[in-house]
Formats: sequence, C-alpha cells, structure tokens
Amino acid sequence: KAGVTQTPRYLIKTRGQQVTLSCSPISGHRSVSWYQQTPGQGLQFLFEYFSETQRNKGNFPGRFSGRQFSNSRSEMNVSTLELGDSALYLCASSRGQGGTGELFFGEGSRLTVL
Amino acid sequence: AQSVTQPDIHITVSEGASLELRCNYSYGATPYLFWYVQSPGQGLQLLLKYFSGDTLVQGIKGFEAEFKRSQSSFNLRKPSVHWSDAAEYFCAVAPKNYGQNFVFGPGTRLSVLP
Repeated sequence: KAGVTQTPRYLIKTRGQQVTLSCSPISGHRSVSWYQQTPGQGLQFLFEYFSETQRNKGNFPGRFSGRQFSNSRSEMNVSTLELGDSALYLCASSRGQGGTGELFFGEGSRLTVL
Repeated sequence: AQSVTQPDIHITVSEGASLELRCNYSYGATPYLFWYVQSPGQGLQLLLKYFSGDTLVQGIKGFEAEFKRSQSSFNLRKPSVHWSDAAEYFCAVAPKNYGQNFVFGPGTRLSVLP
C-alpha cells in the first residue's frame, strides 16, 4: 500500500512569489491535514480537510490556503511568500471518519524562500 | 489552550543503555496521545498511541509508553537503545473527536554513542 506522497520534495522561491504543494493521501483515507515544521516554531497545524471541506484551521494568515479534491488529494497554496515561510511542509492523512485517528505523514516538501 | 512539553531538547545515550523520553501535556480532559519519530530529512512515523484502557502501551521498534493521568505525562521508554534509534522524537496530543488538529511537543533529539 503506497504511503502519503508529497510533491515537490524541494523547491526554492523568492519573496513575493506564490507556491502550490501537492499531497496524495493513502488510498482510502479521506482526511488530509497540513503541518508546517520550522526549527523555531516546531510543528504547527495549518489545516485539515475532510471530504473536500475544511474541517479545522490553525492560526496562520490568510496567505496560507488549501483545498481537497474529490479523490482526496489535497493542495496547499502560499501566496506572497515571506522569508519566514521557509519550512518543511508536511502532509498527513488518516481515515478521518469520526474522531481522531492516527496520522500517516509524507516525507514533506521543503520550501526555501530567498 | 492545550500544550505539550518535552523538557529534554537533546539526550545522548550509549548503545545498549535504557532510554526514557519525557512528555507532559496540558489539556482539559484526557486527549489522545501519540509518540512520533522523525529521521533527518524524513516525515514522521508513528511509534505508538494511547486512546484508552491499559496505561502501558507497546509500540514498534521495542518502544513502550506509560500514561499517567495524575501527572499528565506520557513518557516513552526503551530498555536497550540501538544506534538506528538516533532521531528526533515528538510527543503529540489530539482532542478526542475533534479531527486531526494535533498539537506537537518541541521534540527531543536522541543521539546514540557506539
């Protein structure tokens, strides 16, 4: 069974640009959540999608957005990039039905903003 | 707001020695509790989880954790550390029946001496 797949793995952008990251969850998983990992702030929850609807949102500015498609694949977008957006962005999937289940993480997309 | 504390930023142990990583959480009710491990450049892998029942839970790679409600703790243990256990370890909590909004601790980096 394939795991969570994130693309691209690495990318470099400049300030002011925007970026789109993609996540394919484990087959059968309907919940996808996104986390930002930085040395200073650690792992922080961005948002969660379930059945194409945003179910939870973390404390991030509106420049961070996401969506989920009918096949459960998800994308997140960061507009008007800032230096502080440099981070490892992790996607996680779970079955998602009902309460909290364990998260299965992808290897992440490492974003560097210059 | 819920929070997770991992008092030890970095721990060094000799191969074959025992290990205990500490985790304390602050939350209004007993949440779901998890331990994840992250190797350099990789995503997070679930070691074990506690939902309810027996307070001593067994995980993969020979790890176990004990939930102590009175101390709001969920410490991770391993009787004999292997060099391949060198990684970063994250404790996480998630509110019951509230989706995938996990709160992670800051992590403990484990180094293993030969």
